[in-house]
Amino acid sequence: EADIYQTPRYLVIGTGKKITLECSQTMGHDKMYWYQQDPGMELHLIHYSYGVNSTEKGDLSSESTVSRIRTEHFPLTLESARPSHTSQYLCASSKGGGDNSPLHFGNGTRLTVT
Amino acid sequence: AQSVAQPEDQVNVAEGNPLTVKCTYSVSGNPYLFWYVQYPNRGLQFLLKYITGDNLVKGSYGFEAEFNKSQTSFHLKKPSALVSDSALYFCAVSVSGGYQKVTFGTGTKLQVIP
Repeated sequence: EADIYQTPRYLVIGTGKKITLECSQTMGHDKMYWYQQDPGMELHLIHYSYGVNSTEKGDLSSESTVSRIRTEHFPLTLESARPSHTSQYLCASSKGGGDNSPLHFGNGTRLTVT
Repeated sequence: AQSVAQPEDQVNVAEGNPLTVKCTYSVSGNPYLFWYVQYPNRGLQFLLKYITGDNLVKGSYGFEAEFNKSQTSFHLKKPSALVSDSALYFCAVSVSGGYQKVTFGTGTKLQVIP
């Protein structure tokens, strides 16, 4: 059972709306990540955080923003949704202090922008 | 730059037969290698990892993977496939000594035929 929770699971929203995808973990992990998974299955890192008040952009340019005010919470915000943002968004976390800790993933938010 | 290649988009295997899902990688430095599985409408789940030591790594659900440094490969294997193994499989790599940048392969869909 996942200890990392994403809400909502599914979201259909109109163009131009502001949305926030929620991600919370109960494992006390320092590192958190947002991945975008396209229909071809490939995963793209769009944001990551090493801890509170730390956020970095990932490999894939994204119009979204993130914040990390609390260790357990890593929300992703789209100020103005567009159809090109339609995708699955996966949040993940891992222990700090090493490079070999596996990632723990939430079940994802499937976003559709009409 | 680090990269991961999964050369097969899909692998079909009969139930009870052995299965192999291929993965090759490219990194500068010592790799940490991972396999994850994704079931429909779920996030990725960690299966196994290679850090150092024995080249044959055993993981969850009877899966194992063999690290081959000379061929820069980390193929996932199982002696006897189950229909319930049908899912998406992702290989991933990170590098020791740096921050945990994880690079995923493009995924391989495993279909186990009854």
